[in-house]
Amino acid sequence: QITLKESGPTLMKPTQTLTLTCTFSGFSLTTPEVGVAWVRQPPGKALEWLALIYWNDAKFYSSSLKSRLTVSKDVYRNQVVLRMTNMDPVDTATYFCAHDSVGDRGFDVWGQGTMVTVSS
Amino acid sequence: QSFLTQSPSASGTPGQRVTISCSGSSSNIGNIRNYAYWYQHLPGTAPKLLIYRNNQRPSGVSDRFSGSKSGTSASLVISGLRSEDEAVYYCSAWDDSLRGVVFGGGTKLAVL
Repeated sequence: QITLKESGPTLMKPTQTLTLTCTFSGFSLTTPEVGVAWVRQPPGKALEWLALIYWNDAKFYSSSLKSRLTVSKDVYRNQVVLRMTNMDPVDTATYFCAHDSVGDRGFDVWGQGTMVTVSS
Repeated sequence: QSFLTQSPSASGTPGQRVTISCSGSSSNIGNIRNYAYWYQHLPGTAPKLLIYRNNQRPSGVSDRFSGSKSGTSASLVISGLRSEDEAVYYCSAWDDSLRGVVFGGGTKLAVL
């Protein structure tokens, strides 16, 4: 059974750097084609894809946020980490991580999400 | 701004058939190599994959849900509408120009 769980700060101040960790089980990020994505949802708004990292360390970022995002993986700890610099109140959202099983860029299992609020 | 266009809302009565559309472009849905995905999202929960690879259903997803793709658009059909189908439905696809995943703006389905 595949599970993912997001963790990180719930409250941040503007200009700070957000570090979110996705801890997963039931799969390995050393398995070919497997990936983990980050997706967020601001309150009352649509899902927005942020980043994607694959088993071979291929990384993809949202074009609008690329300069602020870094995604990395730790295959020994079964974790994927997302860093987002220069946080702003508009970045207030629920952040999800999700599993891509076959490299199709679709996500079959999602974490429960973690709410991050940015406020001065 | 979403790169995939969905109607903001849809509705139907129990037992009806509802179609939710997702309009893209040649760089995403319109490329035969890029698959359309559909997710069901209830507030406060994790999104649930309903359709993958344009028209495939994951195990455990009701056969009342079906997907298709034609040209630069994809569609999700829900048959035999039930009250528990009230949710927001999102489409997504890979975009070759952006080299990233794009989501639609979501369609909120009401079961009247």
